[in-house]
Formats: sequence, C-alpha cells, structure tokens
Amino acid sequence: EPEVTQTPSHQVTQMGQEVILRCVPISNHLYFYWYRQILGQKVEFLVSFYNNEISEKSEIFDDQFSVERPDGSNFTLKIRSTKLEDSAMYFCASSEGRAVYGYTFGSGTRLTVV
Amino acid sequence: ILNVEQSPQSLHVQEGDSTNFTCSFPSSNFYALHWYRWETAKSPEALFVMTLNGDEKKKGRISATLNTKEGYSYLYIKGSQPEDSATYLCAFCDRGSTLGRLYFGRGTQLTVWP
Repeated sequence: EPEVTQTPSHQVTQMGQEVILRCVPISNHLYFYWYRQILGQKVEFLVSFYNNEISEKSEIFDDQFSVERPDGSNFTLKIRSTKLEDSAMYFCASSEGRAVYGYTFGSGTRLTVV
Repeated sequence: ILNVEQSPQSLHVQEGDSTNFTCSFPSSNFYALHWYRWETAKSPEALFVMTLNGDEKKKGRISATLNTKEGYSYLYIKGSQPEDSATYLCAFCDRGSTLGRLYFGRGTQLTVWP
C-alpha cells in the first residue's frame, strides 16, 4: 500500500537554528498538508498546499515557516529560527481530494528544540 | 478556532466487549467528518470519511454514524480485540476551508485487555 514517507524521524536542534523537515507524498495525490502535535495537545493544522502554492495556513504558520515542493516529489517544511515552543511531532499528509477522501499521513518527525 | 471534542478520553475494555465513543463538532458549515485510528509509533490511518447527515459506514467490526444537525458522530467497535488498542481521532472539516483543513479532537485512547 502506498505510503507517505517522512525524514528524519527525530531531529534535535538548538534554539535559533533552521530545520527542514522532508516528506515524500503519495505520487498521484495532489493535495498536501503539514500538521503538528505538541505533547499532550490536539493535532493542529499548519498549512495546505495545492498546485505549487499555499492554499490555506493557520495562525501558527507565521513568517518563520515556509513550505516548498522543489522537485515534484518532495514536500518540505522549513522553520527558519526554531523556538522552544516549536518542539512537537510534525506530520505530513497527502490526499486525492479536498476532505472527501481520507488523508494519508506519514509517521512523523519528532522535533526537539533545546 | 472550531472546537472538536471527543469522549471518553480513555477506555479500558476486556477482549470481546463492544464499545463506542463520541465525537462532537460544530453543527453549522459542515463539510466532512473523518475518523482515524492511530497506533503508537505509527501514522494515523483513515477509517472513515463521512459527508452526509445520517451516514453510516462500516469496516469489519468497526462502524460509525453521523448526525450533522446536532453535531455528533459515534464510532462503534463490536467484539473488541487486543489489536484494536489504539487512539481513535475524529476530525472535522468546515465548508469554508479552501483545501480541507481538519480540526482534530484529542482522541479516545482504547486499551483492550486479553
């Protein structure tokens, strides 16, 4: 069964450093998402991406965050200057269509900012 | 921010017991309701996507119902097995979202004892 692949599975970074989280969505999916879960809290939406541009972003997704689909297969989330409160599990997801299909999630990248 | 609530927070049952949990969501601007099964150290896996009031979906021993007018969905597991142990997440999609932003509940953590 097709999978969404995320790398790395765990990343530790110093506060203020830049991190790039990588995702390979399912090849025939057109809609891409990043979500995150801070320990003990709900899974929360960050951004959606379609046709090579951001479609919707949450209040969390400020200027420190950016997304890119550089080569037609990878989908990346960059955090420019990490803060302690960015520590969370970050999930990439892809879908065939807007919310009428289930999303396929990756297994996540656990980001720890120290 | 739209609020999605799930109850109970956790549930411990014996193998063979049937169980059910609740997801409540805003009753206006409904577009879709997702259920996911999330095992520890794995990625959330889509169980059902429900879009119509009165929808009932079934997959093996698991079924779900939807009431959009009153804003709730039930997930039922008949004859629970230890392999059903997981966190069950529901997620609401609002009609106003351009690309299917999901609002998640905190989940119900199910443990099935042999």
